[in-house]
Amino acid sequence: SAVISQKPSRDICQRGTSLTIQCQVDSQVTMMFWYRQQPGQSLTLIATANQGSEATYESGFVIDKFPISRPNLTFSTLTVSNMSPEDSSIYLCSVEFNINEQFFGPGTRLTVL
Amino acid sequence: ILNVEQSPQSLHVQEGDSTNFTCSFPSSNFYALHWYRWETAKSPEALFVMTLNGDEKKKGRISATLNTKEGYSYLYIKGSQPEDSATYLCAFPNAGNNRKLIWGLGTSLAVNP
Repeated sequence: SAVISQKPSRDICQRGTSLTIQCQVDSQVTMMFWYRQQPGQSLTLIATANQGSEATYESGFVIDKFPISRPNLTFSTLTVSNMSPEDSSIYLCSVEFNINEQFFGPGTRLTVL
Repeated sequence: ILNVEQSPQSLHVQEGDSTNFTCSFPSSNFYALHWYRWETAKSPEALFVMTLNGDEKKKGRISATLNTKEGYSYLYIKGSQPEDSATYLCAFPNAGNNRKLIWGLGTSLAVNP
């Protein structure tokens, strides 16, 4: 298992600004993921954060909107850029030890006004 | 596009009641079925990974069954307690090259004391 922390836990932001969410894991992991859950929607994978290379984005998500950093095997950041109210969501990071066995952070609750 | 459906969407029960809810998934190309519990302001927590048709798994008062031929899994909670209040999510790995998890919308359970 893993202990995963996220910062901030919640934020209220103005339209047009950007927010960077941090994810810290207590052990080295190869695979880190970023998800979001918009109100009334299911958890949706945004991208896989790869250490030492660019993140791999899912259909409908692009690097310009959601730039990701992965400087080492225990840390990643997700930036939500040029925010609009539609970006109001819970953002979660997760890590995977065995195939599909994922451990999640507590989430960042973002409200964009 | 794979679809994972959960029902009911929400459930209110009294303390001590037993309850169950359903996750439906595509029965072709089955790989595994995951159940998670997500309490408000906490991390989603893995409950079960189910892989074999007819599988039944148990953790305390919570158990789950799996029918891969007809594409459904039931989650049962015996003698519900207020601390069982949470959203229960199921997820099904995409049969594609990265086995990305496809998530249901969840069943929101509220247990009244």
